This record gives sequence, structure tokens and C-alpha cells, in this order.
Amino acid sequence: KNEVEQSPQNLTAQEGEFITINCSYSVGISALHWLQQHPGGGIVSLFMLSSGKKKHGRLIATINIQEKHSSLHITASHPRDSAVYICAVRSVSNFGNEKLTFGTGTRLTIIP
Amino acid sequence: DSGVTQTPKHLITATGQRVTLRCSPRSGDLSVYWYQQSLDQGLQFLIQYYNGEERAKGNILERFSAQQFPDLHSELNLSSLELGDSALYFCASSAGNPGELFFGEGSRLTVL
Repeated sequence: KNEVEQSPQNLTAQEGEFITINCSYSVGISALHWLQQHPGGGIVSLFMLSSGKKKHGRLIATINIQEKHSSLHITASHPRDSAVYICAVRSVSNFGNEKLTFGTGTRLTIIP
Repeated sequence: DSGVTQTPKHLITATGQRVTLRCSPRSGDLSVYWYQQSLDQGLQFLIQYYNGEERAKGNILERFSAQQFPDLHSELNLSSLELGDSALYFCASSAGNPGELFFGEGSRLTVL
């Protein structure tokens, strides 16, 4: 089982819909990142969370440490939101150093 | 523009060769991270440097090595290249440890 699981793997929605992408993890973490990767390949960091909720424009990220779960929400979705969204968790490895583990990503397509 | 510069953007080379990828972090960022993204394995954390010292190690092969110089730029050296090393290699920087990640545009390596 992967340490970081994302769902859904693919999501297609109409413009304007409310989008939710989920991330579950199985290890203790110090922080969780949400990343956005556009078709050209560039990666943008959207949020870094260690507790609670953060909002930036139409994007909202929440994390529940007890349930080991995070969600990324997009309100009033737009075709320019089409991208791959990646969840990554920061944790301590078996060797005592810190590591970042990535989910496999959610490919979001917003249809005009 | 994230402020992180990676060179070269594209590189084509042959099996058995050695290449060096370079990363200049955002001004003032002390942490530099290297990641590999291949089609079959997604994003994988390779290694992190903080202010010139190795801070964390991920799935980095023995054929790969990295360093961070006094001016904080970093180089990732890949040697005895194999076909499976073909991937996008991303560098990211952050001010703190942990901190918000800022990604470069990546170096696309093709090994023929």
C-alpha cells in the first residue's frame, strides 16, 4: 500500500462546478503539500499545511491530522484549473531523516 | 516565475554517459531539493541540501550524487546513465526546513 493515496485519479467536470480532491496518508507527518502541475510540466506549490485550513483565491485546503486526511477544494472551477494536482507528505524515514512522499496525482479536466 | 532556475532545460545523451544538472535557488533560500519524475514512477524525492550540507536522502541511486555550493546553487550529477534514467528532474528551494516549496521548470533528460 502506498504511503500516500489520492482520489480520484481522474476527474472531469463542467466549468463552474465545485471540485474536491482527496489525499490520505498512513504515516505521521510534519507537513502536507498540495502541488499543481500543468501539461507543460511546471510544478507550482499551492499550499503547505500542518493543521486546519488554508484559502487562496478559489482554492481551499484542509487537513485532519487525526484522520490522516487532506482535501483540496476548487470553487467555481475554470478550464485554466485543468492540471494534475499532487499531494505530498513530509515525514521522518526509518533512517531518521526527513523525506517527502508524493501521491500519484489527480488529473483534473474542466470542460467549458 | 518561481525564482528557481534550472539548466539545461533539455538534455539528450547516450547510455553510459555522465551529465550534470544545475539549480539556482530563489535568492535567500537555504534549502534545495532534487526530485525525479518518470512516467512509470511519478515524482520521487532524491535528496535535500540545507545551507551546504546534506539534510535528507530519498530514493537516490548510488550512480547519482549532488552537492550544494557556498553560493547555495546545487548540482545533481548522474553517471553511468541507463535508459531508465530518462525523466524530468526538478529542483525546488525553500527558505525554511520545512517551508513552502518553489520549483524550477525542470530538466528533461533523455537517455538513448
